[in-house]
Amino acid sequence: NAGVTQTPKFRVLKTGQSMTLLCAQDMNHEYMYWYRQDPGMGLRLIHYSVGEGTTAKGEVPDGYNVSRLKKQNFLLGLESAAPSQTSVYFCASSPNQGVSNVLTFGAGSRLTVL
Amino acid sequence: ELKVEQNPLFLSMQEGKNYTIYCNYSTTSDRLYWYRQDPGKSLESLFVLLSNGAVKQEGRLMASLDTKARLSTLHITAAVHDLSATYFCAVVLNSGGSNYKLTFGKGTLLTVNP
Repeated sequence: NAGVTQTPKFRVLKTGQSMTLLCAQDMNHEYMYWYRQDPGMGLRLIHYSVGEGTTAKGEVPDGYNVSRLKKQNFLLGLESAAPSQTSVYFCASSPNQGVSNVLTFGAGSRLTVL
Repeated sequence: ELKVEQNPLFLSMQEGKNYTIYCNYSTTSDRLYWYRQDPGKSLESLFVLLSNGAVKQEGRLMASLDTKARLSTLHITAAVHDLSATYFCAVVLNSGGSNYKLTFGKGTLLTVNP
């Protein structure tokens, strides 16, 4: 059982380049999330999805786009990367069942924008 | 806007000592999570606290929730080196429309010294 898988794990971009981070979960979870983690800032929610075909903005959505065409996948896109987007990105998923709704996180994707 | 504050942000303690990490949040919530993150790793769920007065314990860690004071504590008993990690609390906004979005604190970096 792989859980939440993120690809790639590391990426270096030049300013202005575009890229897509892929998140895949095999737990049949309804909810999926993209967070970014910066030193001293904790985790901040970028975008999230409450089901296949739905997306919504989180706390820091500017400069990012997302898509959830299949229930198991949640893609995060950077159309024109900026140095301020250098960060570690975490994908997470959670079930729409029960009260606790615990998030399961992927291993993270470290992105550097030069 | 939901704000989550942890203190201290940095904690250096000796093995065998006890200490408490505090998590305050700004608006009503009845669900609070504690996560652990080892350096360079993903986040691992420790506890979910679902009601006022809830207390959960796992090994040397005990978490509690006071929803009236909007405060959760993570108490460490007789610390050991293996507990060195960053600990995050996260809170769900108490609203039926957004009960799946977590807001994280900035984290507490715990270092346990021999």
